[in-house]
Amino acid sequence: NAGVTQTPKFQVLKTGQSMTLQCAQDMNHEYMSWYRQDPGMGLRLIHYSVGAGITDQGEVPNGYNVSRSTTEDFPLRLLSAAPSQTSVYFCATSWGAGEQYFGPGTRLTVT
Amino acid sequence: GQQLNQSPQSMFIQEGEDVSMNCTSSSIFNTWLWYKQDPGEGPVLLIALYKAGELTSNGRLTAQFGITRKDSFLNISASIPSDVGIYFCAGRRLSGSARQLTFGSGTQLTVLP
Repeated sequence: NAGVTQTPKFQVLKTGQSMTLQCAQDMNHEYMSWYRQDPGMGLRLIHYSVGAGITDQGEVPNGYNVSRSTTEDFPLRLLSAAPSQTSVYFCATSWGAGEQYFGPGTRLTVT
Repeated sequence: GQQLNQSPQSMFIQEGEDVSMNCTSSSIFNTWLWYKQDPGEGPVLLIALYKAGELTSNGRLTAQFGITRKDSFLNISASIPSDVGIYFCAGRRLSGSARQLTFGSGTQLTVLP
């Protein structure tokens, strides 16, 4: 039982490049979400999903896309990376009204 | 988006001392959560509070859900070196997605030997 896994752990991109951050969970949780963490800002919600086929925007969705084709996976896509997207990205999951479990994070640098 | 006001931003304390940190908001929350984040890791849930006035302990940690529903505090007693990390408060409302969290900006705790 791996819980919440995220790949890659580190990534460096050039401005304008695209990439997908992967998040997978083996806990059969219905709710998955993506946060970004910046110094002094806490965690801010990017997108979330309440189940397969259903996604919605969070507080800071611009520049990011998501899809949820299976319960287990919730990838986050950067369409055209910008330096402002340099951050640490966390995926989190929960079941029903239960509390969220966080993955180990992906550290992204955009140059 | 709204952030919670978490204070202090950082603390340097001696091993064995007690620690107190708090979060306030202009909005009402139905749930208050406290997380700890170690370097290079994701946040880990420490304590969850579901009712106004609730006082909950987890070992040396004690947290309270404010009566007004607009604040919460976390106390750590007899600090030890492994308490080092960033502590986040988070609040959840019942409006919108019932599971969306709003996070404070964190309290960086350093424990000196």
